Amino acid sequence: GAGVSQSPSNKVTEKGKDVELRCDPISGHTALYWYRQSLGQGLEFLIYFQGNSAPDKSGLPSDRFSAERTGGSVSTLTIQRTQQEDSAVYLCASSLRHSNTEAFFGQGTRLTVV
Amino acid sequence: TQLLEQSPQFLSIQEGENLTVYCNSSSVFSSLQWYRQEPGEGPVLLVTVVTGGEVKKLKRLTFQFGDARKDSSLHITAAQTGDTGLYLCAGDQNGGATNKLIFGTGTLLAVQP
Repeated sequence: GAGVSQSPSNKVTEKGKDVELRCDPISGHTALYWYRQSLGQGLEFLIYFQGNSAPDKSGLPSDRFSAERTGGSVSTLTIQRTQQEDSAVYLCASSLRHSNTEAFFGQGTRLTVV
Repeated sequence: TQLLEQSPQFLSIQEGENLTVYCNSSSVFSSLQWYRQEPGEGPVLLVTVVTGGEVKKLKRLTFQFGDARKDSSLHITAAQTGDTGLYLCAGDQNGGATNKLIFGTGTLLAVQP
């Protein structure tokens, strides 16, 4: 596709359920980032992929959070046993190679845990 | 630990006014980017600055990278309602090596007609 695509755009889930968020980066972009954003706030780094490997996963807030990337393309962020504090917009971005090139963002997935 | 602090956090001004947003850190960055985010959208890149002391102009927006490459500013002249949004700075510490972009805390700008 022309840009970074995230799905679903909105997700409402019950506390304790697992959720999977998907990111389709721009074709050919080797770097992929996941960020979390609370309403009106800045971006909180979660994890960074270079190809299929994650050299930096230091931002994952707990072991309930995990992410993988396959084929150097699609990435999935999984949150197990969701809690209300997990409610936020989850943004995915991709870039050509590394961090001083432009990062292109998807529109995000708005997660609401009730 | 937040490496990039932006100020102010919130700013509400009238159309036609000037404003400056600051992005500060105790760390040195090899490059720094500024993004704008509109409601319901992802951030979009405005500019990248790479040289200490560099000044870049984009129409009514002027971006400056500090001499020591630890801070940056964004100045908007004669603000318009279309400038409303969340402004984010983002720094790269490792000169383009395999490292992540570190985003600032954000400045939420509202320009009133």
